[in-house]
Order: sequence, then structure tokens, then C-alpha cells
Amino acid sequence: QKEVEQNSGPLSVPEGAIASLNCTYSDRGSQSFFWYRQYSGKSPELIMFIYSNGDKEDGRFTAQLNKASQYVSLLIRDSQPSDSATYLCAVGTGGYQKVTFGTGTKLQVIP
Amino acid sequence: EADIYQTPRYLVIGTGKKITLECSQTMGHDKMYWYQQDPGMELHLIHYSYGVNSTEKGDLSSESTVSRIRTEHFPLTLESARPSHTSQYLCASSRILDEQYFGPGTRLTVT
Repeated sequence: QKEVEQNSGPLSVPEGAIASLNCTYSDRGSQSFFWYRQYSGKSPELIMFIYSNGDKEDGRFTAQLNKASQYVSLLIRDSQPSDSATYLCAVGTGGYQKVTFGTGTKLQVIP
Repeated sequence: EADIYQTPRYLVIGTGKKITLECSQTMGHDKMYWYQQDPGMELHLIHYSYGVNSTEKGDLSSESTVSRIRTEHFPLTLESARPSHTSQYLCASSRILDEQYFGPGTRLTVT
């Protein structure tokens, strides 16, 4: 079992819809959770981070964390074609432990 | 905006040459990382550092070496480049517990 698992996709949603991206992790001691967006040929760019159970909203993006179920999700409201990218989930155990990245989910927003 | 720089951005070099990929950050981050990523594939951690004179190997076996003599500088060296080293190399940095910021990457081609 991988430490951080994501469905590789592609996930296709129509423009204006809500895109829901999911990620599960295996280490119950994980403390920090991140979502990165990576356009083809570019570097990953941080879009959200969350440390506590519940929801965290930033513009059209909402990160949701459920530590009991060991999953973290990213919702993108009013999806735009410019949101088409690969979304990477990353999980850290804090302190001097490294952050583990998932393999990423490819999102396609259809105009 | 993150201030992390990588040079060169693109490098085409012949087999057997020694190369050094440069990475510098001006944010005073203690933690720095090198990742390898082939097009459309997942990120693989190859080296990381928690501070000056600290370096560790990552999850992916690599023939490269790194050094951390100054906080802001984390160069990666390949003593003898091979075609199998052709890939994109991404440098990142972070504070303890904080999110990683990525540089623009170096696209290496070994002929």
C-alpha cells in the first residue's frame, strides 16, 4: 500500500461544475496536508494546506480533512478550463520528517 | 511569491560528462529537496537536507550527490552523466512543518 494514494484520473468535469479530488494516506501520525497544482511541463505550485480536521476555504478552493478516516480532499467550485492540470496531494508527519507526495490526479475541465 | 532559483533551466550534455545543477533560495528555509520527474509521471524524492551539513538520500536511488555548505544553496552533482539520467530535476525548499516551494526546474538531456 502506498503511503499517499490518489486516483490518477483523468477526472473530467464540465465548466462551471464542482471538481472533487480525493487522497488517502496510511500514516495516522500525519500532521500536515497539502494540495499542489502542476501544469504540464511546469513545477508544482502550492494551492492549499490544512492541518486541522474540517474544511478550509480559499476562493474557489476548499480543502477537507478527516483524520479519523485518513483522507483529505480538494473541491474546486465553478471549475474553469484553466484549472485543467494535475493535482498532487502531499502529506507530512511534521518535524524533521519528509513530505510524501501522491502520484497526482489529472483534471480536465471541458468548456 | 517564493524565491527559489535553478540553473541551468535546460541542459543538453554528452555521456560521461560531469554536471552540477544549481539550486538557491533566498527565504532562509532550513529544508531543501531534490526531486526527479519524468513527463507525465510522479515526483520522486532523490535527496533532501534539513540544514547546513545535513544531507539524506530519498526514496529513489540516484547516482547523484548533493552538498549543503550554505543554507541558501543545495547543488546536485552527477559525476558521469548517462542517457538514463535524462529527466526533469526539481528543487524545493520549506521551513519545518511548512509547505514546499518549488523552483522552475532543470530539464536535463544526456545524449
